Amino acid sequence: DQQVKQNSPSLSVQEGRISILNCDYTNSMFDYFLWYKKYPAEGPTFLISISSIKDKNEDGRFTVFLNKSAKHLSLHIVPSQPGDSAVYFCAATNFGNEKLTFGTGTRLTIIP
Amino acid sequence: ETGVTQTPRHLVMGMTNKKSLKCEQHLGHNAMYWYKQSAKKPLELMFVYSLEERVENNSVPSRFSPECPNSSHLFLHLHTLQPEDSALYLCASSQDRGSRGYTFGSGTRLTVV
Repeated sequence: DQQVKQNSPSLSVQEGRISILNCDYTNSMFDYFLWYKKYPAEGPTFLISISSIKDKNEDGRFTVFLNKSAKHLSLHIVPSQPGDSAVYFCAATNFGNEKLTFGTGTRLTIIP
Repeated sequence: ETGVTQTPRHLVMGMTNKKSLKCEQHLGHNAMYWYKQSAKKPLELMFVYSLEERVENNSVPSRFSPECPNSSHLFLHLHTLQPEDSALYLCASSQDRGSRGYTFGSGTRLTVV
């Protein structure tokens, strides 16, 4: 049973436009969510996170939105840049649990 | 060196070989993890070590054997693997959950022939 789902395996966006990556989860115990970015031949790197007590967290061009009732979160990147082309993983955990549960990832391609 | 370092970066091994993957973290973290990344699948947690004790083993076949001799080093010993074990093996470390989650290594790309 996949507890964290990223239903879009790939996404292409024009440079300068907004990229929206989506993630759904099924485990209502999750209370902390993270996005990781992965370039080829590198390990995933932390991008941004959000606690369940918030519905939005912003860091520069990156904003994560959390809709707890829908068990849905999204990552917005605006404006999108060529260097944003990577695979983005959504991850979830609950407080005190050192284990992250990951989604399958979405490959984002920014078109110049 | 800083961060999480994994060696080797690439490994090709036969099904009868024995090899080991190595992970080293220089962050002072107290937990280390092995993840497996296969194509079109989520990152799969294999093993968790907290304070050098194995706290989780996610039904991983016995042909994978982890070892954590100290809080900075983690090994994954491999023997009699199958072609379907070919994947990217990622090591990660963490200090509590915090706001940054894990720090990952670059991974070892394993091919079993």
